[in-house]
Amino acid sequence: DAGITQSPRYKITETGRQVTLMCHQTWSHSYMFWYRQDLGHGLRLIYYSAAADITDKGEVPDGYVVSRSKTENFPLTLESATRSQTSVYFCASSELVSGTQYFGPGTRLLVL
Amino acid sequence: DAKTTQPPSMDCAEGRAANLPCNHSTISGNEYVYWYRQIHSQGPQYIIHGLKNNETNEMASLIITEDRKSSTLILPHATLRDTAVYYCIVRGTNFGNEKLTFGTGTRLTIIP
Repeated sequence: DAGITQSPRYKITETGRQVTLMCHQTWSHSYMFWYRQDLGHGLRLIYYSAAADITDKGEVPDGYVVSRSKTENFPLTLESATRSQTSVYFCASSELVSGTQYFGPGTRLLVL
Repeated sequence: DAKTTQPPSMDCAEGRAANLPCNHSTISGNEYVYWYRQIHSQGPQYIIHGLKNNETNEMASLIITEDRKSSTLILPHATLRDTAVYYCIVRGTNFGNEKLTFGTGTRLTIIP
């Protein structure tokens, strides 16, 4: 039972480069979420998706793009990475909009 | 979502029960109490949730007071692997409650 996986687990990139973080879940959950975790801010919601081809902004969406062509995948793209996007990114999924969310192991991103 | 208050840190001896308190005095009638934990460098892990009745699963027990203004998470036989930050989250079930709002949590240290 793989659950929810994220790749890469670690990424170093440079300012201005495009970066895509992958998230894959095997539960066929309808909802998927992207959070970022920074010291002093806790986890903050970036984007979420209710189903394939349905996405919506969270509280910190600027600088990020998401897509969801398949239920099981929810990639997060930083179109032009900035140093302020250095963070740990967590993907989560849930069966219902307000149901229990299950988190992936995270991706540590460093933007130089 | 209602705000929660947790002690910043607690210690517990290995093998003893760890009792983690949470105050949520402004909780609304349709809001659930969720508990997650985050072990260093890992994604948040769901533990348990409840509305007004006490709940128990293989990981923990959740005791919610009759007025629902506070709750206690109980880890019955704490092990070193239970050392983590524990988050108490109050969350509604209506649309608009998609995100989980993590506060600062309680850093629980299990002492050998």
